[in-house]
Amino acid sequence: EPEVTQTPSHQVTQMGQEVILRCVPISNHLYFYWYRQILGQKVEFLVSFYNNEISEKSEIFDDQFSVERPDGSNFTLKIRSTKLEDSAMYFCASTTPGAGSPLHFGNGTRLTVT
Amino acid sequence: AQKITQTQPGMFVQEKEAVTLDCTYDTSDQSYGLFWYKQPSSGEMIFLIYQGSYDEQNATEGRYSLNFQKARKSANLVISASQLGDSAMYFCAMREALLGANNLFFGTGTRLTVIP
Repeated sequence: EPEVTQTPSHQVTQMGQEVILRCVPISNHLYFYWYRQILGQKVEFLVSFYNNEISEKSEIFDDQFSVERPDGSNFTLKIRSTKLEDSAMYFCASTTPGAGSPLHFGNGTRLTVT
Repeated sequence: AQKITQTQPGMFVQEKEAVTLDCTYDTSDQSYGLFWYKQPSSGEMIFLIYQGSYDEQNATEGRYSLNFQKARKSANLVISASQLGDSAMYFCAMREALLGANNLFFGTGTRLTVIP
């Protein structure tokens, strides 16, 4: 069964550094998402992306964050200058249009900012 | 206001018994979808079951069923014949305006522990 893949599974970075989290959504999906989950807490929406542009973003998704679909398969989340509070699990998800289509999640990237 | 409320931070169930995980939601949309996801300790998010707001019947998927009470705005997950592998976090989520692909709003989750 096709799946969403995320790399790396774990990233450690120093405060102030830039990180890029990578995702390969399921190939026939058209909608892409980033969520984050701070350890032990709820899953929070960051941004959704459709037709090569952001369709919706949360207040968490400030100017430090950006997303890109650089080619036909990858979907990336960039954090320009990481802060300690950016430490979290970051999930990529994708889905198809249509009623009841679930979001399919990748296994996540655990980001640790030191 | 919270769109999804899960009032049970933790639940315990004896192996082979059934358990109900509560979820209430808040929306003014007529068209929406309700989803349950399982997150085992390994961290991945696994889709379990879906219920559409216009669905007349409760959704079922194997040992999972969704007790949908639209007037009460509740969408409780029922797991029958619990297994040790069911121990995990369970998240209820909602998506409004299904014709688009709006994001999922998640509840805070319920940690289920199955006791042998």
